[in-house]
Amino acid sequence: KNQVEQSPQSLIILEGKNCTLQCNYTVSPFSNLRWYKQDTGRGPVSLTIMTFSENTKSNGRYTATLDADTKQSSLHITASQLSDSASYICVVSEGQAGTALIFGKGTTLSVSS
Amino acid sequence: DVKVTQSSRYLVKRTGEKVFLECVQDMDHENMFWYRQDPGLGLRLIYFSYDVKMKEKGDIPEGYSVSREKKERFSLILESASTNQTSMYLCASRPLAGLGNTIYFGEGSWLTVV
Repeated sequence: KNQVEQSPQSLIILEGKNCTLQCNYTVSPFSNLRWYKQDTGRGPVSLTIMTFSENTKSNGRYTATLDADTKQSSLHITASQLSDSASYICVVSEGQAGTALIFGKGTTLSVSS
Repeated sequence: DVKVTQSSRYLVKRTGEKVFLECVQDMDHENMFWYRQDPGLGLRLIYFSYDVKMKEKGDIPEGYSVSREKKERFSLILESASTNQTSMYLCASRPLAGLGNTIYFGEGSWLTVV
């Protein structure tokens, strides 16, 4: 069964610290992997998208990695800010055309001062 | 910038009422989606549409229907609202499915059925 598992479920860190969120998937055939940020009460916003041939992609202080062999991805946040407090959702597209989307349940990050 | 607009942010409806949730996108995207998001369950696909007048059931279509008469508009209909349909509903759109195509979400509609 195609699944996307994220860990940890929730995380609390101090402002200025780094953190890493994990995403493991069993989706096959794999098309691409996206990370989204969802602020409380808002819709998800895309952070990065990676295809099978890409293993690192950055968006400001956010860096996503992908290991297509082990079917793992991580999202690293550098020098966290209070505004990074949100849910982070990993989404894997299935199939050659990437039609079907498999969502992880998300990691809730709280950054405190 | 792509914009996906959901007409209602917060709604309170009574059990048995018919409910319409409207979604409009301004980037001529072929694909449109309706999801619901519940704590601990993540996003679950209700219906999607890959073009005008085309629709496909998602993972949880029961109790819902959709309409896509125009390319830019995708409506979710709750024929007879029930309390277990209290949730946040997210609309999304994207161009034709492809390796690098981003999915854009609306801001969400919070529906409470009492």
